[in-house]
Order: sequence, then C-alpha cells, then structure tokens
Amino acid sequence: GESVGLHLPTLSVQEGDNSIINCAYSNSASDYFIWYKQESGKGPQFIIDIRSNMDKRQGQRVTVLLNKTVKHLSLQIAATQPGDSAVYFCAEKYSDSWGKLQFGAGTQVVVTP
Amino acid sequence: KAGVTQTPRYLIKTRGQQVTLSCSPISGHRSVSWYQQTPGQGLQFLFEYFSETQRNKGNFPGRFSGRQFSNSRSEMNVSTLELGDSALYLCASSRRTGGEEQYFGPGTRLTVT
Repeated sequence: GESVGLHLPTLSVQEGDNSIINCAYSNSASDYFIWYKQESGKGPQFIIDIRSNMDKRQGQRVTVLLNKTVKHLSLQIAATQPGDSAVYFCAEKYSDSWGKLQFGAGTQVVVTP
Repeated sequence: KAGVTQTPRYLIKTRGQQVTLSCSPISGHRSVSWYQQTPGQGLQFLFEYFSETQRNKGNFPGRFSGRQFSNSRSEMNVSTLELGDSALYLCASSRRTGGEEQYFGPGTRLTVT
C-alpha cells in the first residue's frame, strides 16, 4: 500500500503526542468524507467519517474536523502510539457521483519512541 | 463478523492474458466497489455494484469489467493485460449503495510481466 510515486508528505510524531493530519479536498459539492489508515501490505482501514452537515465528529482517540469554507478536513489522533504509524488517506464523495470515493494522495505518519 | 475477503492475494500474469479477481463482501453488505492502487496514481475508483447492477464507473478502459452475483459476491475482470495494469486491486463493501461507510479488503496484488 505504499504510494512511492506520489509525493507523500510525512508527519513525524513522538509517541504520546497528539497528531494532526490535514487534507484539502477538491469539490465544494462533496457531501461525505472518510479517513482511512493503510499499513504496509494491507487494505485501507476505516477510521471515522463525517457528513457535510457536521463540523466535528469524535471517535475513540480520533477527532475529525471539517471546515467547508476553506475545503479542509483534519484528523486528530490523541496520544499517538507506535501502532498508529501508517499512511492516512482522506476521501470525499461528490454529491453527484454515486458510489465513488475520491482519495487524496495520503500522509505518511511515523511515530518515534 | 468476517471482513471483506479477496482472492487470490497475489497474482502474476503475462501481457495479453486476462485475469479475474474475486471479492466477498461483509455479511449483510450489498454494495461492492473496486479500486486500483498504484504508486503513481494512488487510489482510483473502478466501479460500484449493488443488487447485481453497476451503479457507477470510473475512467478506465473497457478492458476492465465486473459483475456481481445474487449473493453480493463480486468479480472483476481485466482482459488483454498491459504492464501498466500492475497494481493492488482493492474491493470495498458497504451496506447501501452510494459510497458511504466502505470497508476494504486486503487487496489482490497483480503483477503483469
């Protein structure tokens, strides 16, 4: 699952710190957003989703924030652990494109001890 | 509850051959979407099936096709393989059509030589 060809931004985080992963989405008409985590050799794992009529949603150790004004999505991970090391993707669903998720390039998160 | 399963996990084919990949969705999920993941292009939507009908299709040539069976299992076929078809092919399932809350399988790694 490594996107070597694409320029993947990297976020280095110390274990125990909070992480913030940012994503700029493309379509102001997108009505649904998802964050996925992909570890090497595995498929993307669902983390959390949010609809466009919400600004914030919280899960276990994660929070997603949506700013529709500037088309920005962020994922906050509290108390980052070594197991959080992975590539994180945001994906958006255009309101007029049935069943299709548009994925960002991803962010590589590296957790250091 | 078992997750999305994909078979085979790895496949090596020669240019010009065809290949069929299989996906079994999570029990109770009726929508299956397929994605191609490459280092250069990232994750790209191929198509979505729901109730044995293709609901949407991405920008891929006609060599890429799929189908869904009455038990929601899905197959995708790639004919006349090209070197550029080497990729990780991911299947995602969800309860409803429309693209929301998609859960991915581990993928099939296809190498075309």
